[in-house]
Amino acid sequence: GDSVTQMEGPVTLSEEAFLTINCTYTATGYPSLFWYVQYPGEGLQLLLKATKADDKGSNKGFEATYRKETTSFHLEKGSVQVSDSAVYFCALDDRGSTLGRLYFGRGTQLTVWP
Amino acid sequence: DAGVIQSPRHEVTEMGQEVTLRCKPISGHDYLFWYRQTMMRGLELLIYFNNNVPIDDSGMPEDRFSAKMPNASFSTLKIQPSEPRDSAVYFCASSLRLGSSNQPQHFGDGTRLSIL
Repeated sequence: GDSVTQMEGPVTLSEEAFLTINCTYTATGYPSLFWYVQYPGEGLQLLLKATKADDKGSNKGFEATYRKETTSFHLEKGSVQVSDSAVYFCALDDRGSTLGRLYFGRGTQLTVWP
Repeated sequence: DAGVIQSPRHEVTEMGQEVTLRCKPISGHDYLFWYRQTMMRGLELLIYFNNNVPIDDSGMPEDRFSAKMPNASFSTLKIQPSEPRDSAVYFCASSLRLGSSNQPQHFGDGTRLSIL
């Protein structure tokens, strides 16, 4: 079945450090891939997405490239800020076979220290 | 534009009581999802609807949980009777399907439920 595996947290970084959060997926079809972010006390917000192989999603300095050959969608940011502290979720939507549902990873807690 | 609206934001009640969580999806969205989030189990999909019809309720933990969507602008998740292990943050989300593509889900701010 469809599933998403992302690296366990928590991740703790100093401000301006480089961030990578790994995400790999298993899907029966041709999924769209997403990263959502959850700030404390809030719901999940879409951070970026990619709908086909080799697409790169980007937003707020974050990037992720859809790699079909490695079934991965790793999240990266070159220089993190304290305000990036949040929980990050990788997700997939297997279009056509799941009729609308997303499959989420477990989430990765990121804490950035000044 | 108004996002997904959930109420109440916080609920504290004693075990055995009935709890009703409410959700108003974004106008025009045809999918509605209920999730539960806990430290131990992460984010779990409980049930989702398409055009007010339940599509998959396999995530509903027990018969104590029920969900309804009487119209396109309102859904409820009910727990009766409630138990301490139901304590969690419950999220509602909605989305729109365009052709063969599902647009991203939009989440409400959640209801933090504590069962004493």
